[in-house]
Amino acid sequence: ETGVTQSPTHLIKTRGQQVTLRCSSQSGHNTVSWYQQALGQGPQFIFQYYREEENGRGNFPPRFSGLQFPNYSSELNVNALELDDSALYLCASSTRTGFTEAFFGQGTRLTVV
Amino acid sequence: DQQVKQNSPSLSVQEGRISILNCDYTNSMFDYFLWYKKYPAEGPTFLISISSIKDKNEDGRFTVFLNKSAKHLSLHIVPSQPGDSAVYFCAASDRGSQGNLIFGKGTKLSVKP
Repeated sequence: ETGVTQSPTHLIKTRGQQVTLRCSSQSGHNTVSWYQQALGQGPQFIFQYYREEENGRGNFPPRFSGLQFPNYSSELNVNALELDDSALYLCASSTRTGFTEAFFGQGTRLTVV
Repeated sequence: DQQVKQNSPSLSVQEGRISILNCDYTNSMFDYFLWYKKYPAEGPTFLISISSIKDKNEDGRFTVFLNKSAKHLSLHIVPSQPGDSAVYFCAASDRGSQGNLIFGKGTKLSVKP
């Protein structure tokens, strides 16, 4: 059974650029959620994907968007990067049959300069 | 407005003693609660959970207590070990909605030998 993997692990981008982060979900999991963790804060929910459709969204602007693929892997895209977007981005996978704990990847550390 | 609060940013405990980490929540719709542990440069790791129909759940050295009337939960670690030193996040979910997790800011536990 493979765990949740994210790529890349670290990334530096310039303000105004666009970035794509990737996540492979744990085997058997059909739901992927993305979280943003700023320094000294707990993870904050960005959005969730289930069966390739967005299934819920937190308080993030439309320049944060995502995709889920038939194999349940996922991408997080952020356009027009701002300095405040610098954070650890976490992907979590889970199942929708009842509710089980979400399993997190190691995260992608994004720095916007 | 924070729906999940961990009011102690840090806690220091002697090896072998009990560690008690506290968490308060404000949303009465939350019906599932989880604790995650996070080491530096890693994603959060699921530790233990509790449904709102229970008031206690135990798994080895870890016990979570839920007091719904006080909207309070706590994680007890007995006995504490140096390897338990990490940041602990409390998270809550309303499974009737999209099931995303709302996290507290975390408590950094240091277990001293």
